[in-house]
Amino acid sequence: DQQVKQNSPSLSVQEGRISILNCDYTNSMFDYFLWYKKYPAEGPTFLISISSIKDKNEDGRFTVFLNKSAKHLSLHIVPSQPGDSAVYFCAANTGNQFYFGTGTSLTVIP
Amino acid sequence: KAGVTQTPRYLIKTRGQQVTLSCSPISGHRSVSWYQQTPGQGLQFLFEYFSETQRNKGNFPGRFSGRQFSNSRSEMNVSTLELGDSALYLCASSLAAVRETQYFGPGTRLLVL
Repeated sequence: DQQVKQNSPSLSVQEGRISILNCDYTNSMFDYFLWYKKYPAEGPTFLISISSIKDKNEDGRFTVFLNKSAKHLSLHIVPSQPGDSAVYFCAANTGNQFYFGTGTSLTVIP
Repeated sequence: KAGVTQTPRYLIKTRGQQVTLSCSPISGHRSVSWYQQTPGQGLQFLFEYFSETQRNKGNFPGRFSGRQFSNSRSEMNVSTLELGDSALYLCASSLAAVRETQYFGPGTRLLVL
């Protein structure tokens, strides 16, 4: 049973525009959320996190939004750059383990 | 500071064999987690070790096992390999708590023929 879902397998965005990646979860016990970026032949790289006591966290071009009532997480990248082209995973934690989504492949078109 | 390292990077085995994968965490990190990544399934949690003890376990059969040494290095073993075990196996380390950010190694790509 997939407790963390990324329903869009892929997304294409023009360079300079906003990229919005979405993630839905089912377990209300999740209290810590992260986004990872993964390039081919490399392990996932940590991008940004958010605790369930917050609804927004920013780090440079990356902003994560958490809507607990909707059990929805999103990552905004502004402005998008060609180097952002990668697979993005969201992850959620209950305190025992991380649960990962299946990933969204982002392509930023120059 | 060196990142998480995994060896070997690639491995080809046949059904029924066993395999051992190795992971060296970031210096000072005491928690090591293992994940299996297959197409369309995302990362599936296998288990987590802390101070040489398995602290958490995912929903995988007993053919998957692991251990952690006193220097925090960890090994994962898969016995009686099946075709479905073909995957990328990722190791991640964190300082101590399960809820902390995990840092991943490059993974070991296992192909079972």
